[in-house]
Amino acid sequence: SAVISQKPSRDICQRGTSLTIQCQVDSQVTMMFWYRQQPGQSLTLIATANQGSEATYESGFVIDKFPISRPNLTFSTLTVSNLSPEDSSIYLCSVNGGDYPTDTQYFGPGTRLTVL
Amino acid sequence: SQQGEEDPQALSIQEGENATMNCSYKTSINNLQWYRQNSGRGLVHLILIRSNEREKHSGRLRVTLDTSKKSSSLLITASRAADTASYFCATALYNFNKFYFGSGTKLNVKP
Repeated sequence: SAVISQKPSRDICQRGTSLTIQCQVDSQVTMMFWYRQQPGQSLTLIATANQGSEATYESGFVIDKFPISRPNLTFSTLTVSNLSPEDSSIYLCSVNGGDYPTDTQYFGPGTRLTVL
Repeated sequence: SQQGEEDPQALSIQEGENATMNCSYKTSINNLQWYRQNSGRGLVHLILIRSNEREKHSGRLRVTLDTSKKSSSLLITASRAADTASYFCATALYNFNKFYFGSGTKLNVKP
């Protein structure tokens, strides 16, 4: 299994600013995933982050808007840049409990972002 | 959604009845997982079914997988008011490092 923590748990930001979300895992993992959940919607994969390489972004998500760092095997950050009210969402990180993709996929508690 | 759809989008039943939710996906998978999310809260993992499995049980939950139809179903038997939540299927793709969610079903169990 994997225990994931995220910081901050929630934040209220002004438009035009940026927010960096931290994700910490209690074990070493190769891949970490970042998701966005807009109000009342399902989870949408933003990007997959491997340690030591650039993140792979899904269609509709770009590095300039969602830069990701992955400095080691237990930690990652997602920055949401140049915030607009449309970025108000819950952001979640996720890892596999074993060797992806064979095991349970675990999720952090999420970061609830409100942009004014 | 990125990978597939769930139906129904919303389901309202009486306590004690069974609830069935369906999930369809688009590409070959390694496994499919079901999650529950209570309003505004975190994801709770319910069950994982691998691509070479056809049915799994866990308590009041029964999951089936039909890879030829690229579909899965989640059955909750003898539902309780506490089962009221959104339910999501998610698929781990076979050849790609992707884990995609379906659109979700909102279940309301009336006491």
